[in-house]
Amino acid sequence: DAGVTQSPTHLIKTRGQQVTLRCSPKSGHDTVSWYQQALGQGPQFIFQYYEEEERQRGNFPDRFSGHQFPNYSSELNVNALLLGDSALYLCASSLGQLGYTFGSGTRLTVV
Amino acid sequence: SQQGEEDPQALSIQEGENATMNCSYKTSINNLQWYRQNSGRGLVHLILIRSNEREKHSGRLRVTLDTSKKSSSLLITASRAADTASYFCATIGGNQFYFGTGTSLTVIP
Repeated sequence: DAGVTQSPTHLIKTRGQQVTLRCSPKSGHDTVSWYQQALGQGPQFIFQYYEEEERQRGNFPDRFSGHQFPNYSSELNVNALLLGDSALYLCASSLGQLGYTFGSGTRLTVV
Repeated sequence: SQQGEEDPQALSIQEGENATMNCSYKTSINNLQWYRQNSGRGLVHLILIRSNEREKHSGRLRVTLDTSKKSSSLLITASRAADTASYFCATIGGNQFYFGTGTSLTVIP
C-alpha cells in the first residue's frame, strides 16, 4: 500500500517563475494538507483541501494556491517565486482529520 | 500563535546514552504528538499522548505530558546512531498541525 507520494523530489526555479508541486494521498484518504518547512524551522501550515475545496488556510499570501482533483490528489502552485519561498514542501493526507501521513516532501530552491 | 518551542535546539550524545528533549505549547490541547524527520525529509509519526494521559511508552520512547505547565518531554533510551534526526512536537488546532521548532539530535557511534 503506497503512502503519500510527492513529485518532484527536488526542483530549482528562478525568481519570478511559477511552480507546481504534486501530491498523491495515501489510499483511502480524502483530505490533503500542505506545509512549508524553511531550513531549521518546523513545518508551517499552508492550506488543507477536502472535497476539492480549500477548507482552511494558513498565513500565506495569495501567490500560494492549490487544487484537489476528484481522485483526491492535489497540487500546490506558487506564483512569482521569491528567494524566501525556498523550502521543503510537505504534503500530508488523512481521512478527515484521522490518520495523518506525511510524504517525503519536495525541496524547492529559488535562485 | 499556538506554535511551541523545543529545547534544546541541538543535542549531541554518545551511542547508548539517553536523550531527552522538551516541548512547550501555548493553548489547551486534546493530544500532543511527536514526529521524527531524517535529513530534511518527510515526517514520521512516533507517538501520540492524550491530554488525560501523563506518560506513555513505545519501545525505547517515553513521552510525558504536563498540561498544567503546557509542556511535554520525549525520552529516547539506549540511543543508536540511527536515531540521529530532528524531532518535533505537534499539537492540532482546527484542521492544522502546529509544530515546534524542533530538536536536532546527533548520536555519535
